[in-house]
Amino acid sequence: QSVLTQPPSVSAAPGQKVTISCSGSSSNIGYNSVSWYQHLPGSAPKLLIYDTYKRPSGIPDRFSGSKSGTSATLGITGLQTADEAAYYCGTWDNSLIAPVFGGGTKVTVL
Amino acid sequence: EVQLEESGGGLVKPGGSLRLSCVASGITFSDDIMNWVRQAPGKGLEWVASINGDSSHIYYGDVVKGRFTISRDNAKNSLYLQMNSLGAEDTAVYYCAREGGYCASDFCHLWFDLWGPGTLVTVSS
Repeated sequence: QSVLTQPPSVSAAPGQKVTISCSGSSSNIGYNSVSWYQHLPGSAPKLLIYDTYKRPSGIPDRFSGSKSGTSATLGITGLQTADEAAYYCGTWDNSLIAPVFGGGTKVTVL
Repeated sequence: EVQLEESGGGLVKPGGSLRLSCVASGITFSDDIMNWVRQAPGKGLEWVASINGDSSHIYYGDVVKGRFTISRDNAKNSLYLQMNSLGAEDTAVYYCAREGGYCASDFCHLWFDLWGPGTLVTVSS
């Protein structure tokens, strides 16, 4: 059971928008910034969003991050077939004194 | 090219040991806080351990504390994970990951900005 809760899957047609939620608590998301990762099977996870809303160099602005209270959201606009992957949220937990992650969300492009 | 590459995974019997390695290239390895993160089949990511640049600060997740040892050799740009007393619950793909961000007294802005492709560890009789 992951500390952060994500929906198992989301789907949309090419060109559409999807949002992925990440629910936590006051000891993690409520206090700390959130990061998001894209993971294709057999490859290295890739950092998409750090510090809740910032994008590393090379990540298109189709990817966006936000946070409200104890929940965070990853948005993907202009969905492409290349976006089919698993997406994970992560943050620090002040009670566990450790990094924690969500269980992952599989994005399917219809 | 900036990259991390893990090795050392394989099939091991319950109670056995295994040593994973991760070689870094294209980064100033000795400056970086490095971590091991794992993913069990069908599960999410789970942080395992971290070590700072000069090995003076080392931390472990509760489920591996006392069984796993993280270490590094900056001269070889290498990170290691010695895993002992392995059980079926340790079956996972193990990733090395570079840590970014910072922590203050009551908050942490932490992320993992570079990952390797992972190495599979299977614990089974």
